[in-house]
Amino acid sequence: GQQLNQSPQSMFIQEGEDVSMNCTSSSIFNTWLWYKQDPGEGPVLLIALYKAGELTSNGRLTAQFGITRKDSFLNISASIPSDVGIYFCAGHKGPKASGSRLTFGEGTQLTVNP
Amino acid sequence: DAGVTQSPTHLIKTRGQHVTLRCSPISGHKSVSWYQQVLGQGPQFIFQYYEKEERGRGNFPDRFSARQFPNYSSELNVNALLLGDSALYLCASSLVGQAAYEQYFGPGTRLTVT
Repeated sequence: GQQLNQSPQSMFIQEGEDVSMNCTSSSIFNTWLWYKQDPGEGPVLLIALYKAGELTSNGRLTAQFGITRKDSFLNISASIPSDVGIYFCAGHKGPKASGSRLTFGEGTQLTVNP
Repeated sequence: DAGVTQSPTHLIKTRGQHVTLRCSPISGHKSVSWYQQVLGQGPQFIFQYYEKEERGRGNFPDRFSARQFPNYSSELNVNALLLGDSALYLCASSLVGQAAYEQYFGPGTRLTVT
């Protein structure tokens, strides 16, 4: 089953607002990734994080790799309607784990009201 | 450049039947992974293939099998379909090494078992 806990499960915000979501685990992950999925499509990779404490940006998106390696955070600044979708965190446990298996959270559904 | 492609887009099968899903990776990507995404949940890892060999397997029954061809494309086979196999089946491709964790997904095949 899933090992990553995402919160919140859903968010309803106004256009222009900033958004924060997070992902936690009871075990250590050595790589954290954030994906966005639109209805009827596959997940799209947003940001990949490889070092504890790392802070990485991609446009209005900023993600952080928690220093305990058990959590990660995603922030979206100045939200726009096209930010609507489901955001998934995913983790990989490192070279000794099985291949390139990613473990996914259950997603945060983001709704942006114009 | 073309992204990951999957076929068919949608499929309806009856319990007990067999299904084959196909995936073509991004050009230059040699690793292919398969995930199952049940409605309302994050993707769950099924298999990873690299250089035509299975490199990882998730917690799925032996009814699920896959293979990778010399051109790095891949097939996922599911035998004796159950109602619970209804899901979106996602294929992801990646480079090797650390970049293997940055997986790029196709649009998926929506399988409905009746």
